[in-house]
Amino acid sequence: KQEVTQIPAALSVPEGENLVLNCSFTDSAIYNLQWFRQDPGKGLTSLLLIQSSQREQTSGRLNASLDKSSGRSTLYIAASQPGDSATYLCAVSGGGTSYGKLTFGQGTILTVHP
Amino acid sequence: DADVTQTPRNRITKTGKRIMLECSQTKGHDRMYWYRQDPGLGLRLIYYSFDVKDINKGEISDGYSVSRQAQAKFSLSLESAIPNQTALYFCATSDLRVGANVLTFGAGSRLTVL
Repeated sequence: KQEVTQIPAALSVPEGENLVLNCSFTDSAIYNLQWFRQDPGKGLTSLLLIQSSQREQTSGRLNASLDKSSGRSTLYIAASQPGDSATYLCAVSGGGTSYGKLTFGQGTILTVHP
Repeated sequence: DADVTQTPRNRITKTGKRIMLECSQTKGHDRMYWYRQDPGLGLRLIYYSFDVKDINKGEISDGYSVSRQAQAKFSLSLESAIPNQTALYFCATSDLRVGANVLTFGAGSRLTVL
C-alpha cells in the first residue's frame, strides 16, 4: 500500500526566504507526482505535475523535483511572499490497477509573515 | 461559474440521517472522484468512476455509496450518518485523454454529523 509523508507538518518563515517542502513515498512504481496548494475554505489547486520519467518541473518561483528511485520529491519556493501562505499537499498516482487514483500526503502548512 | 460545483457547501446533520452530497462538472471529463479530508490526514479516496457505467471503491468506502447519474454528475450518499464521518468532502474530475491525469477539484462540502 502506497504511503505518502510530508515534512515538515508546519513551517513559518519571514518574507523573502527560499524554502523547501519535502515529500516521500513508499512505492516507487508511480505514474506521476503532483503538488497542490489548498487555501482555507477552498479546494485544491494543482501547482506542478511531474511525470515518472521526469526529474523536475518549474513554474514561476516554484520548482519541484522527483527522485523516483529514492521515493522523494521536493517543492522549492523562491523568494517567499505572504500570499504563498497555504497548505501544500503532494500526491502520487500509481500505475497498473492504481492508475488514475491519487494517494495524498498529510500536507505542510506554510505561513509566510511580512 | 466553477468547473466543478459541489452542493451543499456546508451541512450540519444528526446521527442516523441520510445525506447526499452532489457534484457536477462542466469540464467534460470522463473521470470523477470523491475524497474526504480530515485534519492532519491529507485526502483519502472514497469512490471513483471512470465513466458512467464504471464505479469503483476507494480506500475508505465503508458507510458511503455513490451514483454516477450522467457524465457530468456524481453524487455521494451517507445512508446513515455517524459522527466520525464529520469531514471536508471534495469532488474531483480528470481527463486521461490529456495523458497526465491532472485533477480539478471542487471547493469542498463541509459535513458535520452531531
